[in-house]
Amino acid sequence: EIVMTQPPATLSVSPGERATLSCRASQSVSSNLAWFQQKPGQAPRLLIYGASTRATGIPARFSGGGSGTEFTLTISSLQSEDFAVYYCQQYNNWPLTFGGGTKVEIK
Amino acid sequence: QVQLQESGPGLVKPSETLSLTCAVSAYSLSSVYYRGWIRQPPGKGLEWIGTMFHTGTTSYSPSLKSRVTISVDTSKNQFSLKLSSVTAADTAVYYCARQVAGSPYFDYWGQGILVTVSS
Repeated sequence: EIVMTQPPATLSVSPGERATLSCRASQSVSSNLAWFQQKPGQAPRLLIYGASTRATGIPARFSGGGSGTEFTLTISSLQSEDFAVYYCQQYNNWPLTFGGGTKVEIK
Repeated sequence: QVQLQESGPGLVKPSETLSLTCAVSAYSLSSVYYRGWIRQPPGKGLEWIGTMFHTGTTSYSPSLKSRVTISVDTSKNQFSLKLSSVTAADTAVYYCARQVAGSPYFDYWGQGILVTVSS
């Protein structure tokens, strides 16, 4: 099973600042990685797939990068609605696995 | 627009079977998409439970494999989850989701349903 790690658990950022989130895989997942945003009481929402392709309707301030075992999600200028928990998920191998999540909170 | 909606009991007794249904709209379960289930214990992260491929074959989480069954009823455009011999550790919000065939990330999710295991 591929273990996905997302350090740190919490990231404190001021509105308008840039946030860079990290996701690491225990072995290569190629570019088969997705990012999700989850707000309290809501289902996760797909942001990025294929490591760097934005899903339909996702603002351009969200960008994904990386391949193999190291991935990043960058939010170029944090808006109030972006404070949430972010999860990565690999779909290169079964079983599918998620990272533990990074909470982006207001600094 | 694509929508998924979970339904089923919100309370299940220990040792019994949890049964949930996911009704989908704006796309057909006969089309080339996979059907997935994910759960999230209160205050914790996401855990993949299992997936049914468009061919009808399934893949389950190794930790749940002995207790999980996913099935589909294409005539009703819905798919289902059964989890047997539940314990308090199975208390979670359960989500159904659509997965892209060949690249099984989850592109559309249901709103989720909280299932509590308690006597």
